[in-house]
Amino acid sequence: DQQVKQNSPSLSVQEGRISILNCDYTNSMFDYFLWYKKYPAEGPTFLISISSIKDKNEDGRFTVFLNKSAKHLSLHIVPSQPGDSAVYFCAASARAGGTSYGKLTFGQGTILTVHP
Amino acid sequence: KAGVTQTPRYLIKTRGQQVTLSCSPISGHRSVSWYQQTPGQGLQFLFEYFSETQRNKGNFPGRFSGRQFSNSRSEMNVSTLELGDSALYLCASSGSPHEQFFGPGTRLTVL
Repeated sequence: DQQVKQNSPSLSVQEGRISILNCDYTNSMFDYFLWYKKYPAEGPTFLISISSIKDKNEDGRFTVFLNKSAKHLSLHIVPSQPGDSAVYFCAASARAGGTSYGKLTFGQGTILTVHP
Repeated sequence: KAGVTQTPRYLIKTRGQQVTLSCSPISGHRSVSWYQQTPGQGLQFLFEYFSETQRNKGNFPGRFSGRQFSNSRSEMNVSTLELGDSALYLCASSGSPHEQFFGPGTRLTVL
């Protein structure tokens, strides 16, 4: 049962344009969402996050949108740069036993390629 | 601050052997989580430790175990290795509820 899904395995974008990466989730208990960027043979690097009490969070070129009713979130990168080419993972967490957010449930990832 | 470190970075073992991987979290972080990344299953949560106690556990067989020491360093152990255990094992440390910083991972190959 895949609770977090990234339905697009890959996305190709021209430099300077907008990249939109999508993520859907099924577990209503998720209340915090994160996006990570990953290069091969390296650990994921945190990009941006959003709490379920918000519907938008911005950090520089990165904006995450959350639609709770649709159980859908998206990451917008504007403008896209060749250095943004990597695998992007969305992840979700839910408070476990009132204490821990230590378990992240990841999507399968989307390979973003930004062409010069 | 130094980041999360994992040792060794690469490991080759044969079926039936056991392996121990080590993770040193960011200084001051008390929570350590472990994940397995494989091409077929993606990134999957193994377990989380906080103050030397396992606080959360994923759906992995009992061959996968871990522990945390008083200095927050953590180890995970896999016994009776199977070919399917070949993966990138990632450790993440956390100092507050909503952040997890990942190490570079240990690439385990089981022959």
